[in-house]
Amino acid sequence: DVKVTQSSRYLVKRTGEKVFLECVQDMDHENMFWYRQDPGLGLRLIYFSYDVKMKEKGDIPEGYSVSREKKERFSLILESASTNQTSMYLCASAPGTVENTIYFGEGSWLTVV
Amino acid sequence: GQQLNQSPQSMFIQEGEDVSMNCTSSSIFNTWLWYKQDPGEGPVLLIALYKAGELTSNGRLTAQFGITRKDSFLNISASIPSDVGIYFCAGQLNTGNQFYFGTGTSLTVIP
Repeated sequence: DVKVTQSSRYLVKRTGEKVFLECVQDMDHENMFWYRQDPGLGLRLIYFSYDVKMKEKGDIPEGYSVSREKKERFSLILESASTNQTSMYLCASAPGTVENTIYFGEGSWLTVV
Repeated sequence: GQQLNQSPQSMFIQEGEDVSMNCTSSSIFNTWLWYKQDPGEGPVLLIALYKAGELTSNGRLTAQFGITRKDSFLNISASIPSDVGIYFCAGQLNTGNQFYFGTGTSLTVIP
């Protein structure tokens, strides 16, 4: 089974803090994604990566950055957390093959106070 | 980014009833996926579809890839209380590796 592991399930951070959300997948997938999920807004893509050290902006990249130094690991960074970044963050990975499927982690609930 | 039109938004049904929901897109997709998400958890893949007209089952769940490649359907037969959750679809266009997601159907099963 595909396993996408997010390091922190619940975090509470103060405004202005730097926040790291870590994600690891164990299936040698090429593609990795970070989404945020908010009530009524569905899943919104923050950043994605097709390869090591490669990143592309999604629909809402402002206030976020990412790092993919190794194929299995994709990190989301909030340089200076703000209260409007309180949300559920979902990491996902996909093989990038013709019959492509996206697999999600368990999610990280971030509260910024 | 593009979002898929998913309906209905919510459903309240009696235990034992069958459920149907669907997703539509203005674009042609080459992949349709269906997920279930429990409160506070990440989405879990239920069914993956890769060919137009394909009909695939997973236990009491059946999903179909529409012939036009612009829609997909999910049916749940003989619903039980643990079917409660949010179901949503995802699709991938012919080109590119991005996925697009439906807005979700919230299912409540009344015992």
